[in-house]
Amino acid sequence: DVKVTQSSRYLVKRTGEKVFLECVQDMDHENMFWYRQDPGLGLRLIYFSYDVKMKEKGDIPEGYSVSREKKERFSLILESASTNQTSMYLCASSLAANEQFFGPGTRLTVL
Amino acid sequence: QKEVEQDPGPLSVPEGAIVSLNCTYSNSAFQYFMWYRQYSRKGPELLMYTYSSGNKEDGRFTAQVDKSSKYISLFIRDSQPSDSATYLCAMGTYSGGGADGLTFGKGTHLIIQP
Repeated sequence: DVKVTQSSRYLVKRTGEKVFLECVQDMDHENMFWYRQDPGLGLRLIYFSYDVKMKEKGDIPEGYSVSREKKERFSLILESASTNQTSMYLCASSLAANEQFFGPGTRLTVL
Repeated sequence: QKEVEQDPGPLSVPEGAIVSLNCTYSNSAFQYFMWYRQYSRKGPELLMYTYSSGNKEDGRFTAQVDKSSKYISLFIRDSQPSDSATYLCAMGTYSGGGADGLTFGKGTHLIIQP
């Protein structure tokens, strides 16, 4: 079975802090994605990557950056956390243009 | 602008009923379609994946795609209380380097009453 793991299930940070969310997949997938999920807004794509050191902006990249130094690991970085970044963050991976498999999510609260 | 419309519900049906969940979309560039199930405070779980018009069946679940009408459906037969969850439709396009991210509907909250 595909396994996508995320570094934390719950995280509380303060405004202005630098936040790292990490995602690891164990199926040698080429593509990895970061989404955020908010009530009434659904899932929205922040960034994705289809190869090591490659990254593409999604629909809402502002305030975020990403890093993919190894194929299995994709990190989401909030350079200076703000309260409007309080959300559920979901990582996913896929092989080529196939099904995306999601991790359990990180619920981030920014105070 | 990619856009997917999905009724948020809640949709409440009795156990054993056939459930129909639907999404419409406006962008004809979408080439593949998925349905996910998401339980509260969990990540989405893939149920069905298809890239062509027509029906695809897997156990109690049937996914239907009509590209000419830009309409997709998920049918659940013999619904069970354990099917109570939020169902998300999602669709995507291919790019030169691989898959783009998916565009999701906002999800339909389904309640199966025992």
